[in-house]
Amino acid sequence: EPEVTQTPSHQVTQMGQEVILRCVPISNHLYFYWYRQILGQKVEFLVSFYNNEISEKSEIFDDQFSVERPDGSNFTLKIRSTKLEDSAMYFCASSDRQNGYTFGSGTRLTVV
Amino acid sequence: QKEVEQDPGPLSVPEGAIVSLNCTYSNSAFQYFMWYRQYSRKGPELLMYTYSSGNKEDGRFTAQVDKSSKYISLFIRDSQPSDSATYLCAMSAYNAGNNRKLIWGLGTSLAVNP
Repeated sequence: EPEVTQTPSHQVTQMGQEVILRCVPISNHLYFYWYRQILGQKVEFLVSFYNNEISEKSEIFDDQFSVERPDGSNFTLKIRSTKLEDSAMYFCASSDRQNGYTFGSGTRLTVV
Repeated sequence: QKEVEQDPGPLSVPEGAIVSLNCTYSNSAFQYFMWYRQYSRKGPELLMYTYSSGNKEDGRFTAQVDKSSKYISLFIRDSQPSDSATYLCAMSAYNAGNNRKLIWGLGTSLAVNP
């Protein structure tokens, strides 16, 4: 069954450093997303992306965040200067029109 | 009032029991309803994707939507220990092809005991 692949599975970084989280969406999907889940809290929407541009973003997705689809397969989330409160599980998802959203296994980001 | 409310549990049942999981919501614009299963430190896995009111069945799982009451349910028949996980509801006013965000419940932790 097709799946969304995320790397790395765990990333530890120092506060203030830049991180790039990587995702390979399902190949025939056109819509891409990043969500995050802080331990014990709800899954939160960050950003959606279609046709090489951001469709929607939340207030969490400030100037420290950016997304890119640098080639035909990868979809990345960059956090420019990480803060302690950025520590969370980050999930990439992709979708088509009919079958809903498929999530990756996530990247656990720990900012120290 | 929160947009989506879901009792976090934990819910503990014996193997073979029928499990009922529920969410309520406040936004009458929601039309697309999903149930996800999440194992510890893994991503959400889509179980059911439904549109508007009514029932949908897939194997041991049945999803129900009552838009008049703003209430959705997931029933698991003949529950198994492998069903032990957190179950999250998610919903949207738009279908997946509109590239809009999902609004999530907190998740209900379920333990099925052998």
